Amino acid sequence: NAGVTQTPKFRILKIGQSMTLQCAQDMNHNYMYWYRQDPGMGLKLIYYSVGAGITDKGEVPNGYNVSRSTTEDFPLRLELAAPSQTSVYFCASSEPGQGTHEQYFGPGTRLTVT
Amino acid sequence: KQEVTQIPAALSVPEGENLVLNCSFTDSAIYNLQWFRQDPGKGLTSLLLIQSSQREQTSGRLNASLDKSSGRSTLYIAASQPGDSATYLCAVRYNQGGKLIFGQGTELSVKP
Repeated sequence: NAGVTQTPKFRILKIGQSMTLQCAQDMNHNYMYWYRQDPGMGLKLIYYSVGAGITDKGEVPNGYNVSRSTTEDFPLRLELAAPSQTSVYFCASSEPGQGTHEQYFGPGTRLTVT
Repeated sequence: KQEVTQIPAALSVPEGENLVLNCSFTDSAIYNLQWFRQDPGKGLTSLLLIQSSQREQTSGRLNASLDKSSGRSTLYIAASQPGDSATYLCAVRYNQGGKLIFGQGTELSVKP
């Protein structure tokens, strides 16, 4: 049971490039989330999904896209990377049907846009 | 607006001291509250989760309490150790299908 996994761990992008951050969970959780964390700031929700085929915007969705074709995977796409997207990105999952609805986080992807 | 606040933003204590971290929330009708630990450059690790019907949860040297009427939770760390140095975040969920609302965190430093 690996929990929530994210790849890559680190990435440097040039302005205008695109990339996909990968996230997978093996806990059969329906809910999945993408957050960004800037230095000294709290976590901000980018997008979330309550099940395969269903996604919704969080607080800061501009510049990002998501898809959820399977229960296990929730990739985050950055189109036309900008320096403002330099941040640490965390994926998380949870399952409201499992009683406590505890949320689990991946190890993060550190992205720098220059 | 539903907000979660953690004070202080940073705390430094000598090793062996018992300490309390505070979390307050504006709306008392919560579903549950979760405490996380984050080491520098790492992800969030869940420490304790308290359901709205519970008053406290314990794990080892950690004890989390919940007082919904006053909109507060505390994380008590007994006999602190340098390995406890990290940022501690609390997060509140307001309904079973809702999203977590995070505080800004308290950065704890335990000096040997």
